[in-house]
Amino acid sequence: ILNVEQSPQSLHVQEGDSTNFTCSFPSSNFYALHWYRWETAKSPEALFVMTLNGDEKKKGRISATLNTKEGYSYLYIKGSQPEDSATYLCAFLNSGGSNYKLTFGKGTLLTVNP
Amino acid sequence: ETGVTQTPRHLVMGMTNKKSLKCEQHLGHNAMYWYKQSAKKPLELMFVYSLEERVENNSVPSRFSPECPNSSHLFLHLHTLQPEDSALYLCASSQGTAGILYEQYFGPGTRLTVT
Repeated sequence: ILNVEQSPQSLHVQEGDSTNFTCSFPSSNFYALHWYRWETAKSPEALFVMTLNGDEKKKGRISATLNTKEGYSYLYIKGSQPEDSATYLCAFLNSGGSNYKLTFGKGTLLTVNP
Repeated sequence: ETGVTQTPRHLVMGMTNKKSLKCEQHLGHNAMYWYKQSAKKPLELMFVYSLEERVENNSVPSRFSPECPNSSHLFLHLHTLQPEDSALYLCASSQGTAGILYEQYFGPGTRLTVT
């Protein structure tokens, strides 16, 4: 059973604060890591697909880094805004399994207070 | 909007009912997925279709029966469900099945309650 852990489970920040959270995954048999953003009552939306150790991806104020050797990825949000409030999910793809079978974490629920 | 729609958004059904969930994608994708999210659990893959062929049945009970009549539509037929099947059911699609290349596009989900 693959274990994908996200921490913290939830956090509250003030508008304008920068924040980050973690996704931990097995360091062996790494194939890819996906990040998704899921606003309440909406559809999960893809942020990044990361494949290379040391990779860093950026989309506006959101960026992510990847360390496949130690099995973690960080998601950063710079200058949080209330519209960033959502659950952020990571999903791990194992090279030893099917090339489409994502194992999801439970997510980090971010609330940005105005 | 992600280009993936699901109907109905909410469904309440008895254990002896038969119902179907519908998913439609308007993105020209070749792969479609059903996921289940139970309370306080992560998203769990149920079924995967690639070019209308089922390539994954993730140990799902036979009371869940998927159907993919064409690359744009995916159904999940439900019969004789149990209360523990109450969950959010999400549909997704992607350009291809290779998760190393393709992100998934999700629908808004169907909230299912089995009474």
